Amino acid sequence: AAGVIQSPRHLIKEKRETATLKCYPIPRHDTVYWYQQGPGQDPQFLISFYEKMQSDKGSIPDRFSAQQFSDYHSELNMSSLELGDSALYFCASRTRSGARETQYFGPGTRLLVL
Amino acid sequence: DQQVKQNSPSLSVQEGRISILNCDYTNSMFDYFLWYKKYPAEGPTFLISISSIKDKNEDGRFTVFLNKSAKHLSLHIVPSQPGDSAVYFCAASAGGATNKLIFGTGTLLAVQP
Repeated sequence: AAGVIQSPRHLIKEKRETATLKCYPIPRHDTVYWYQQGPGQDPQFLISFYEKMQSDKGSIPDRFSAQQFSDYHSELNMSSLELGDSALYFCASRTRSGARETQYFGPGTRLLVL
Repeated sequence: DQQVKQNSPSLSVQEGRISILNCDYTNSMFDYFLWYKKYPAEGPTFLISISSIKDKNEDGRFTVFLNKSAKHLSLHIVPSQPGDSAVYFCAASAGGATNKLIFGTGTLLAVQP
């Protein structure tokens, strides 16, 4: 079965650079979620989109922005990167058509800021 | 403020025995709970979920119990297998399954052969 695809899987950036993370949801999934997992921490919700509109917002820094496109893929744009942005970034997707569809996670993008 | 807590950072169990992972929550608005399993360098893999209208849900070797009055849930794995060794995250959401997940800190399960 098709899963959530994230690219790139690994990314190394310098401080103050920008980064773009991409997420391709499971086919027919219309909702995308972004989570950040710092070293030794639990995943923290950043932002979500439903039908290309932002549906919820968590602890996402103002330096970050995201959007969902017409093909339902999503991109997380990160600017003025800081050392503390080094983390695993997970994307999850689900469909709202099911009664209790859960969120399915991608493999994550590991971002290292030097 | 950690709304979902897993107080045991690690658990070691013998193969074939029962593994019991515990999770406590503080937000009474949570109405949907999930367990995810995570291997290093991979994304969380969904295991099992439970709605707040139930107190038990079973799927093969995995059973989740929910005690709403105690704001406590547990995951039972019977029998435990070495391949079950991973980090297990408890997660909760409010307002149905459509909303953001709040994760616990995880429990590292080691199943010894």
